[in-house]
Amino acid sequence: SQTIHQWPATLVQPVGSPLSLECTVEGTSNPNLYWYRQAAGRGLQLLFYSVGIGQISSEVPQNLSASRPQDRQFILSSKKLLLSDSGFYLCAWSSGGGNTEAFFGQGTRLTVV
Amino acid sequence: AQSVTQLGSHVSVSEGALVLLRCNYSSSVPPYLFWYVQYPNQGLQLLLKYTSAATLVKGINGFEAEFKKSETSFHLTKPSAHMSDAAEYFCAVSDRSGSEKLVFGKGMKLTVNP
Repeated sequence: SQTIHQWPATLVQPVGSPLSLECTVEGTSNPNLYWYRQAAGRGLQLLFYSVGIGQISSEVPQNLSASRPQDRQFILSSKKLLLSDSGFYLCAWSSGGGNTEAFFGQGTRLTVV
Repeated sequence: AQSVTQLGSHVSVSEGALVLLRCNYSSSVPPYLFWYVQYPNQGLQLLLKYTSAATLVKGINGFEAEFKKSETSFHLTKPSAHMSDAAEYFCAVSDRSGSEKLVFGKGMKLTVNP
C-alpha cells in the first residue's frame, strides 16, 4: 500500500532563518506531488505541484520554493523565513489519470517567531 | 478558473441530528468533486468523491453527497450526527488537467453537541 511521510510535525523558526520541509511517498511510482498551506479561515492554498522529477509549477508568488530531486521526494524550502510564512503545511500525492483523489500527509505546523 | 464556495465557517448540530454541509462549485468543464475531513492537527482524509458516475455518492462514516449540475452543488449529508464527526470539512474540485490540482473551499468546522 502507499504511504506518505512528512516531517517534521512541528517547527518553530526565527524570522530570517532557512526552511526545509521534506515529504516522501512509498509504494507508488511517478506520483503527482503537491504542497499546500493552510492558514486559519482561509482553507488550503496550493503552493507548488510537480508531475515529475525536476518539474515544479508554482501557483502563487511567495517566499518559498520547491524541489523534487527524486521521483518520490518533494522538498519545500525558504532561504529566509517571514512571519507570514507561519501556517500548516501539507504535502499530498495523487497517481494521475484525472479522476483520482489526493492523499495527504499529516502536516507540519510551522511557527515563525 | 475553478472555485468552490462553502458559505459560513462553522456549523453546530446535536448528536443524532441531520448534518448538512453545503458546497457550490464553479467550473468550465464537468467537474470532479471531493469532500475531505480534517481532524485537529492532522492531514486530510477523503470522505467521498464524484467522478461523473452516479450522482449520489456514498462515502465513509455514513456520509453521502449528491451532485446537482443544475444547482452547481455538491452538498454533504449524514442522517444522524455522532460525536466523532466533529471535525473540519473541505469541499474541493479538480481541474482534470492531468495535474489533478485540487481547489478547496475555505472549510466548515462541524461541532456536535451531546
